[in-house]
Amino acid sequence: DAKTTQPPSMDCAEGRAANLPCNHSTISGNEYVYWYRQIHSQGPQYIIHGLKNNETNEMASLIITEDRKSSTLILPHATLRDTAVYYCIVRENTGNQFYFGTGTSLTVIP
Amino acid sequence: GAVVSQHPSRVICKSGTSVKIECRSLDFQATTMFWYRQFPKQSLMLMATSNEGSKATYEQGVEKDKFLINHASLTLSTLTVTSAHPEDSSFYICSVAGYSGNTIYFGEGSWLTVV
Repeated sequence: DAKTTQPPSMDCAEGRAANLPCNHSTISGNEYVYWYRQIHSQGPQYIIHGLKNNETNEMASLIITEDRKSSTLILPHATLRDTAVYYCIVRENTGNQFYFGTGTSLTVIP
Repeated sequence: GAVVSQHPSRVICKSGTSVKIECRSLDFQATTMFWYRQFPKQSLMLMATSNEGSKATYEQGVEKDKFLINHASLTLSTLTVTSAHPEDSSFYICSVAGYSGNTIYFGEGSWLTVV
């Protein structure tokens, strides 16, 4: 079962930073936080993952709170192509299954 | 990231027939593959986990005799929907995990319509 809760929808102005929150208060010590996004009628796309340190790549930044009970995905300069459903998932980093929650539908507004 | 290919991308079949969907890992050997189903406006639901050379493990509520999964090689897994009915119409997505298992990559999905 999904162990995360996310707001169902958010809007963001084009060019501004999009901050997507995720609550995972029952996360265990060996579970990572993963973020994926799904553009309509496509397979999910990997964005980023982390354990406890903040992470950054070419797509986004992941900020994990010190107690690891929540995290925020940051898209620094949102574009219209970032409109998608964003999923936050917690999982052990050993090949275990991914269980998807309901995600956040992000709409980037021109 | 890994390249995962699904075929067909769209298929229409008649009620009562069977349809096979292929999932291929194109650039690395996938020891584990996962199959998901997604109904419109809903999230992805994990159906089963398949490990190369062994039987698939099905999630609770998924009929293993209806959704046959074969993972015969490190680059190919197939999902066969047997005796399909209109309620089986859905978006089916596979994903693969490599030896390290850390990041999972998804295929583009296959739309199944049963008429």
